[in-house]
Amino acid sequence: DVKVTQSSRYLVKRTGEKVFLECVQDMDHENMFWYRQDPGLGLRLIYFSYDVKMKEKGDIPEGYSVSREKKERFSLILESASTNQTSMYLCASSKPGERRYFGPGTRLTVT
Amino acid sequence: RKEVEQDPGPFNVPEGATVAFNCTYSNSASQSFFWYRQDCRKEPKLLMSVYSSGNEDGRFTAQLNRASQYISLLIRDSKLSDSATYLCAVFTSGTYKYIFGTGTRLKVLA
Repeated sequence: DVKVTQSSRYLVKRTGEKVFLECVQDMDHENMFWYRQDPGLGLRLIYFSYDVKMKEKGDIPEGYSVSREKKERFSLILESASTNQTSMYLCASSKPGERRYFGPGTRLTVT
Repeated sequence: RKEVEQDPGPFNVPEGATVAFNCTYSNSASQSFFWYRQDCRKEPKLLMSVYSSGNEDGRFTAQLNRASQYISLLIRDSKLSDSATYLCAVFTSGTYKYIFGTGTRLKVLA
C-alpha cells in the first residue's frame, strides 16, 4: 500500500520561529509537492520538485523554502513563521502527470 | 477566469437521491482529469480518473465533455457516507500544470 507520511499532524509555533515540515514517500516517485489548503481558497501549490536537489516555485512560494536531498524526502521550511501562514499543509507525491498521493496533512497554527 | 472552477455548494440531498457535480476548465489542451474525495480534516484521496468515453465505478459515474470543457461526477443512490467535499483536478501536459478545483461540498441527509 502506497504511503506518504508527514512529520506532524498538529503544530503550534510562535511568530518569527523557523518551522520545518517533513514529508516522506515510499513509492519511489520522482515528483513531490507541498500545498496549503485554506477554506474557500482550495489547494494552492507552494513548491514542487521533479528530482533530487531540484525545486520549482508554485503559485504561492513567498515566505517558504524547500529542500530535497533524498528522493523519498521533501521538506518545507518557514524561515520566519507569520500568523498568515496558519493553515493546513499537505504534501503529495506522484509519477509525472499522474494522480497525486497525499499525506495526512499538518495543521499549523502560528500565534 | 479561474483555470478550474467548481460550485462550492453545499449540495444537501436526501439519502437515496442522485446528485451531479460539474467542474469546468479553461485550457482546451488539458488531457487528464480526476475526481478526488476529501473528508473533513483529512487529505484528498483519488475517487476516480475520468476517461474520454466516460467511466463508471459502482454508484459513481464520471463524464468528460470536451466541447463544453467540463467534467461531471454523478452519484446514484446517495449514502450518508458519501458526505464529503469532491475536488476535481485537471492536468495539461503542455504546461505541466495539475490544477485542483476548490471543491464541492456534499451533505447527504437521513
